[in-house]
Amino acid sequence: KAGVTQTPRYLIKTRGQQVTLSCSPISGHRSVSWYQQTPGQGLQFLFEYFSETQRNKGNFPGRFSGRQFSNSRSEMNVSTLELGDSALYLCASSPFDRRDTQYFGPGTRLTVL
Amino acid sequence: GQQVMQIPQYQHVQEGEDFTTYCNSSTTLSNIQWYKQRPGGHPVFLIQLVKSGEVKKQKRLTFQFGEAKKNSSLHITATQTTDVGTYFCSGGSNYKLTFGKGTLLTVNP
Repeated sequence: KAGVTQTPRYLIKTRGQQVTLSCSPISGHRSVSWYQQTPGQGLQFLFEYFSETQRNKGNFPGRFSGRQFSNSRSEMNVSTLELGDSALYLCASSPFDRRDTQYFGPGTRLTVL
Repeated sequence: GQQVMQIPQYQHVQEGEDFTTYCNSSTTLSNIQWYKQRPGGHPVFLIQLVKSGEVKKQKRLTFQFGEAKKNSSLHITATQTTDVGTYFCSGGSNYKLTFGKGTLLTVNP
């Protein structure tokens, strides 16, 4: 099976702009989670989608949003970008209705200037 | 809320030495997962432990889940340069999943 894919792999934006990141889970996986990874904070959970519904949410401001489509593909959006949003954004899919076991994509490296 | 602490944060070893990282939770976990992230890469799932006192082995890696299901360890025997990376644990209970901050392992050849 193909792994989790994320596009784009790299992005450079300026403060105030918005960005949309895309994730395609492993075929058959219905749970998709998003994480922000920075050197200082480690892996921070953003949100999880299952069957097009947001099931869990981390402690991030409302500028971070996401959605899941009927084919389980997911997107996350960050509006009004801040310098501190520079990070590696990882998408992970799970084969179960619980997200215990996560299969991560390669990530999108976002740099905000 | 649920907290998962990993120690040590960093570990530098000579190739051939053993390495152990520990994961401790503030609450009882339903299960625990271990991941490895190579420098510049993404986390890769290694294993899941579910039962109290469970021990699983993958070649030179030994994973253990504590009897109280609040801690876990990952032990690598005779490290190799290919073992370099950050090892994360994640613990779940009641559909909440928490990641530790990881242990960065560097290996001197």
